[in-house]
Amino acid sequence: DIQMTQSPSSLSASVGDRVNITCRASQRIGNFVSWYYQKPGRAPKLLIYGASNLQSGVPSRFSGSGSGADFTLTISSLQPEDFAAYYCQQFYSTPNTFGQGTKLEIK
Amino acid sequence: QVQLVASGGGVVQPGRSLRLSCAASGFTLSSYGMHWVRQAPGKGLEWVALDGHDRYYADSVKGRFTIARDNSKNTLYLQMNSLRAEDTAVYYCARATYTTSFIFVDYWGEGTLVTVSS
Repeated sequence: DIQMTQSPSSLSASVGDRVNITCRASQRIGNFVSWYYQKPGRAPKLLIYGASNLQSGVPSRFSGSGSGADFTLTISSLQPEDFAAYYCQQFYSTPNTFGQGTKLEIK
Repeated sequence: QVQLVASGGGVVQPGRSLRLSCAASGFTLSSYGMHWVRQAPGKGLEWVALDGHDRYYADSVKGRFTIARDNSKNTLYLQMNSLRAEDTAVYYCARATYTTSFIFVDYWGEGTLVTVSS
């Protein structure tokens, strides 16, 4: 099984900050990575697919990069609604494993 | 618009069975792969099963859970047998989209809570 190691597990930041969240796969997986955000008590929402493609309707302050085994989600200027949990997921092979998650909190 | 509504959760004793349903609307279920993903209280997301070109399962549920669909009813199911306390979670159904270059999940239902407890 492919392991997705996500870091950091938690992050404290301020409105307007630029933040990076990373996922490292245990083997090379091309660009078969998606990123989601999740508010408490709600379903996850797709932000990025194919490592760097912005899902329709998602603000342009979100971006994804990387290929192979190392991937990054960047939020260029944090907005109040961005404070949530973030997850990566790989689709290279089943099981389609998730990273452990990053909880983004207001400083 | 695309909508996924999961139902069938509840409180069940260890060793018993439960069947979850996911009613799909706004698209033709037969044209898409479908996942079940779960989230234990206060924990992260865990992939459970995929009904795509074939059926695939997480090791933690293999042999106990069965994913299936009824395309005529536009409904996905998860039959869960021999339930354990560690199966307690919110269960989400989600739509898989395949293109020539990408595979991803683009829509999620709001989830149904399964509690396994005596």
